[in-house]
Amino acid sequence: LAKTTQPISMDSYEGQEVNITCSHNNIATNDYITWYQQFPSQGPRFIIQGYKTKVTNEVASLFIPADRKSSTLSLPRVSLSDTAVYYCLVGVLDQTGANNLFFGTGTRLTVIP
Amino acid sequence: IAGITQAPTSQILAAGRRMTLRCTQDMRHNAMYWYRQDLGLGLRLIHYSNTAGTTGKGEVPDGYSVSRANTDDFPLTLASAVPSQTSVYFCASSDSMFQGEQFFGPGTRLTVL
Repeated sequence: LAKTTQPISMDSYEGQEVNITCSHNNIATNDYITWYQQFPSQGPRFIIQGYKTKVTNEVASLFIPADRKSSTLSLPRVSLSDTAVYYCLVGVLDQTGANNLFFGTGTRLTVIP
Repeated sequence: IAGITQAPTSQILAAGRRMTLRCTQDMRHNAMYWYRQDLGLGLRLIHYSNTAGTTGKGEVPDGYSVSRANTDDFPLTLASAVPSQTSVYFCASSDSMFQGEQFFGPGTRLTVL
């Protein structure tokens, strides 16, 4: 059973808003939800982090429902430079009952001119 | 400020050989991590360290060992490399393991033949 799941890919035109959802049914109670962006041949780069409700920074918003079993990254008015792979990262209780970190499967966003 | 450095950048290794990947951070972060990323896939946590002197197992620890003798350094050792360990390895650090931004190094591309 996957710890976290995301859509494999998404396409969007420049200037549109993009929403990417991550499912994490077994998220640990006290853990945060973090989203990262990754370009080819680079390490992931932090986008935004939240615990519940809504968080907004200069590049994105993060929506987390009350049950925290999913989260949605919202990128307003995407540009070509937003073409990348986007990952969610959550803490989940593993098979031994220990808290561990799991990246999502990643969503490849392609922005079309 | 360098952030996180990893060495080597890339390495080709014969199966059965021992290899240590080096990771150093200059941000005085408490937590450090090692991830592997296989071609076209997401990142999986190998080992982590909450603070100097302590380490823990991630999702895929088998075949790897780590040590955390001080705050800055977190080496990853493959005692006897196997072809399935061919991957890109990323080191990361953060103030706190389950909260806060993780800063990633540039990665080490390892090929085991």
